[in-house]
Amino acid sequence: EIVLTQSPGTLSLSPGERATLSCRASQSVSSSYLAWYQQKPGQAPRLLIYGASSRATGIPDRFSGSGSGTDFTLTISRLEPEDFAVYYCQQYGRSPLTFGGGTKVEIK
Amino acid sequence: EVQLVESGGGLVSPGGSLRLSCAASGFTFSSYSMHWVRQAPGKGLEYVSAINRNGGSTYYADSVKGRFTISRDNFKNMLYLEMGSLRPEDMAVYHCVRDGVEGYYFYYMDVWGKGTTVTVSS
Repeated sequence: EIVLTQSPGTLSLSPGERATLSCRASQSVSSSYLAWYQQKPGQAPRLLIYGASSRATGIPDRFSGSGSGTDFTLTISRLEPEDFAVYYCQQYGRSPLTFGGGTKVEIK
Repeated sequence: EVQLVESGGGLVSPGGSLRLSCAASGFTFSSYSMHWVRQAPGKGLEYVSAINRNGGSTYYADSVKGRFTISRDNFKNMLYLEMGSLRPEDMAVYHCVRDGVEGYYFYYMDVWGKGTTVTVSS
């Protein structure tokens, strides 16, 4: 199975700052089949990015995804107060589908 | 509005059984693969099980294989997860999730239910 390692575990930033989250795969993720989700406390996860770089419906353009192979990045260009949450990556290029352990973006 | 609503969670003793249900609405249920994803208290997301659009293909995580059974009723727009031989480590919020692509395979997940809580304790 493909293991996804997210770093850092916690990112402490201020509103307006840029956030860069990493997701590294233990094997190459075929066809850039990598998704990102946002989860706020007490809520279900929300799809942000699929296909490594395609924004899901209704997702603001301050969220962007990039990468291929084994290294992927989620970037939030300018953090808004509502962006402080936990972010997960997920690969769907090879069965079984797997999730990363998550990165918490907290207010500094 | 596209919606997934889970039910059936509750308190069960170790070794017990539970059946989770998920009612889908607002989309053509029979066109999509469906998933169950769980989250233990304070932990990350764990992929549990999946079923393709016609029920012909299923997937189970090793941690639940042989104990859980996923099924669907495309006439009733319902997804199910039959859970047996429950263990304390199965305690989690269980989310019903729609696959992001119409078809027969498993991809990303674009619609999530709020989840139903399963507590395993004596």
